[in-house]
Amino acid sequence: SQQGEEDPQALSIQEGENATMNCSYKTSINNLQWYRQNSGRGLVHLILIRSNEREKHSGRLRVTLDTSKKSSSLLITASRAADTASYFCATPRGDNAGNMLTFGGGTRLMVKP
Amino acid sequence: EPEVTQTPSHQVTQMGQEVILRCVPISNHLYFYWYRQILGQKVEFLVSFYNNEISEKSEIFDDQFSVERPDGSNFTLKIRSTKLEDSAMYFCASSEAGTRSFGPGTRLTVT
Repeated sequence: SQQGEEDPQALSIQEGENATMNCSYKTSINNLQWYRQNSGRGLVHLILIRSNEREKHSGRLRVTLDTSKKSSSLLITASRAADTASYFCATPRGDNAGNMLTFGGGTRLMVKP
Repeated sequence: EPEVTQTPSHQVTQMGQEVILRCVPISNHLYFYWYRQILGQKVEFLVSFYNNEISEKSEIFDDQFSVERPDGSNFTLKIRSTKLEDSAMYFCASSEAGTRSFGPGTRLTVT
């Protein structure tokens, strides 16, 4: 798979359920970021997890990072219809703060009310 | 909370024409970027800009593309002679370090 590939590509759940999205990457990273994109809109940064962290929480979001498997997961708990969006993982190339981000293909999440 | 802004929100142009997409990054940010997303495809990096020069660019960013920071607030992307395949959403982003703040995008349609 390419750097920053998410699965599943699409996920449909009922409101109140949890949604789990996975991301795999190929090269070494110093952090991994998750972004959200509502249809036709810009990207909103959700959470950044550093390579020395294993888990991070932000509200209803929980992100894990397994550098040995080169994978990350994003869990949204108690989902709401407003969580319907595409979710992307992104990894920077290199250690420089300005390095390019490589985005995965995204997971399209639909939360049905 | 400060935001990255972009203008216009939608630009329609004819093939071969020049377009300039404008962005106002967050004022204390030092790094500026352009990304694009062709409909239904991944977000792709175009170029990053730091200290008044390009710091990194992708293969997509060929001689038809240029960036400029003409003053202390604006950051522009120019496409000299647009092609049909340049039709996409173009996102500007800025950062201090680490996380990027993205603008809402400019939808470019080349006819």
